[in-house]
Amino acid sequence: DGGITQSPKYLFRKEGQNVTLSCEQNLNHDAMYWYRQDPGQGLRLIYYSQIVNDFQKGDIAEGYSVSREKKESFPLTVTSAQKNPTAFYLCASRMGPQPQHFGDGTRLSIL
Amino acid sequence: KNEVEQSPQNLTAQEGEFITINCSYSVGISALHWLQQHPGGGIVSLFMLSSGKKKHGRLIATINIQEKHSSLHITASHPRDSAVYICAVNAGGTSYGKLTFGQGTILTVHP
Repeated sequence: DGGITQSPKYLFRKEGQNVTLSCEQNLNHDAMYWYRQDPGQGLRLIYYSQIVNDFQKGDIAEGYSVSREKKESFPLTVTSAQKNPTAFYLCASRMGPQPQHFGDGTRLSIL
Repeated sequence: KNEVEQSPQNLTAQEGEFITINCSYSVGISALHWLQQHPGGGIVSLFMLSSGKKKHGRLIATINIQEKHSSLHITASHPRDSAVYICAVNAGGTSYGKLTFGQGTILTVHP
């Protein structure tokens, strides 16, 4: 079955460390997205990519970085510059005007 | 004021009740989405609509473009419907599929 795989499901980071969240899709979708979800708030867009080797900042890109070297992969790095990284992170992908498909998310916590 | 507002924020129902969740938005849109987020965090797209009404099983979604309002109805609710329901919109004019999300409605259906 096609879908989006996010790993790991839970991730812990020490202060000052960079961590990378994985997002892989086998849906052959061109566009991919990273969202952050905080309690009581709507999802907010971090970065998005419409094609391989191209990506754009979303609304809250500071402290994050991404790459899109392959169509199926869109990893998100949470850098030490992100001062409040504890959140639930969701990856999504989309083909054309169709609805976005979402992964199951990664919950990041600071030790 | 958020561009997408949902009401109520929390909703408790008894099994079998008819449920309505409302979504109002303040921007021009090309499409509106209703999403379901399960307790584990994964998100599923329920509906994408730009006019009128759609039905899938016990779920019905309606939209009134002139009033900038949408409703999600659940008939004969069941405990398995317990989840967070999220309204999101594609603002008109964006070509990369950016979604603006409401804060979600937490639905709990008791047996």
